[in-house]
Amino acid sequence: GQNIDQPTEMTATEGAIVQINCTYQTSGFNGLFWYQQHAGEAPTFLSYNVLDGLEEKGRFSSFLSRSKGYSYLLLKELQMKDSASYLCAVRDGVTGGGNKLTFGTGTQLKVEL
Amino acid sequence: NAGVTQTPKFRVLKTGQSMTLLCAQDMNHEYMYWYRQDPGMGLRLIHYSVGEGTTAKGEVPDGYNVSRLKKQNFLLGLESAAPSQTSVYFCASINQREAFLEQYFGPGTRLTVT
Repeated sequence: GQNIDQPTEMTATEGAIVQINCTYQTSGFNGLFWYQQHAGEAPTFLSYNVLDGLEEKGRFSSFLSRSKGYSYLLLKELQMKDSASYLCAVRDGVTGGGNKLTFGTGTQLKVEL
Repeated sequence: NAGVTQTPKFRVLKTGQSMTLLCAQDMNHEYMYWYRQDPGMGLRLIHYSVGEGTTAKGEVPDGYNVSRLKKQNFLLGLESAAPSQTSVYFCASINQREAFLEQYFGPGTRLTVT
């Protein structure tokens, strides 16, 4: 099975940098996703890591260490619109497993002035 | 190209009633998924399908049934609704030919069972 942990809530200031951590223990691993979800809306894709290292996409970066079972999402130059829940999800590594994702409970980020 | 759509957006049921939630995608995706999302629980997989005519159980399948008679549609049924099934239901799909296999989500259905 999969077990994914991420902080429940974080608060940061507009213009600052925030790092949201995610740790996982899995029976198989075939990639880690980060999704953003605004209140009352559907999750939207932010980033994907399958190899160790940093993936950068504009103001957002995501890091993965497979040996440590650890990932983080880094948000730079925070804006008020970044206030949302950030979901960490691990993809099942089992062949024929349907590319299933197991989600963490999400980190609610609040950006303040 | 409407992406992933869900019908209805909102519904209130009484305990014991039945209903079907419809998920439709116009992207010719092979894989489709049904999740429920509850406060503090995150997204949990109910059932999924890897192609037309095939379905499989996810993490929390009890009390739900599904069907995938057409590739573009994935139906989620509640035969006898219970208050514990009050939740937000999301459908998602992926295109196996894309590199990341990211899941595209529908807008969700908010279901209340009284």
